[in-house]
Amino acid sequence: GEDVEQSLFLSVREGDSSVINCTYTDSSSTYLYWYKQEPGAGLQLLTYIFSNMDMKQDQRLTVLLNKKDKHLSLRIADTQTGDSAIYFCALLRGSTLGRLYFGRGTQLTVWP
Amino acid sequence: DAGVIQSPRHEVTEMGQEVTLRCKPISGHDYLFWYRQTMMRGLELLIYFNNNVPIDDSGMPEDRFSAKMPNASFSTLKIQPSEPRDSAVYFCASTSWGGDEKLFFGSGTQLSVL
Repeated sequence: GEDVEQSLFLSVREGDSSVINCTYTDSSSTYLYWYKQEPGAGLQLLTYIFSNMDMKQDQRLTVLLNKKDKHLSLRIADTQTGDSAIYFCALLRGSTLGRLYFGRGTQLTVWP
Repeated sequence: DAGVIQSPRHEVTEMGQEVTLRCKPISGHDYLFWYRQTMMRGLELLIYFNNNVPIDDSGMPEDRFSAKMPNASFSTLKIQPSEPRDSAVYFCASTSWGGDEKLFFGSGTQLSVL
């Protein structure tokens, strides 16, 4: 089943902000992650948030967590063409220690 | 550390041949994961190990797939016989839960079965 859901595509203009959204079903999730995959490369960890936090900021990246709605978002400020990639949401469930559950990924395209 | 190292980067083979993919996890990591990525299915977990022991292999497609981890620094994923539908990118990842809670991926092996 689709335990972690993301929209598949997002297009933005260079310089604008991007917001990538993710919803999940398991409220026991302890850590929630955002990974970035560039063409021909593996997944690179961008940032993560612990479930007792609502927000985490890291330079141009802002992660927001709404536990009530089981909603995670990644905001990229001043989006650049180099940010074009696939972004994966993933979570670590408290009930199944060991593996991450990944969404399908959101293809972000940044237009100059 | 050099990160998670996978080999080969690309593999082209003919249907029916045996394929072996290799992975060296980050030193000190005690969890190792094998994933497969396709356009149709996205990222699928095939199997994962903890301390060299397979914990969950429910994602392994069928008996043609097998994975081993003979020691803490090496793992293989074998497909025998290979089929065109096995064409995908195969990723290895490693971590040490209870440390910094991060999963690190290798660069992947692009497998094409003709």
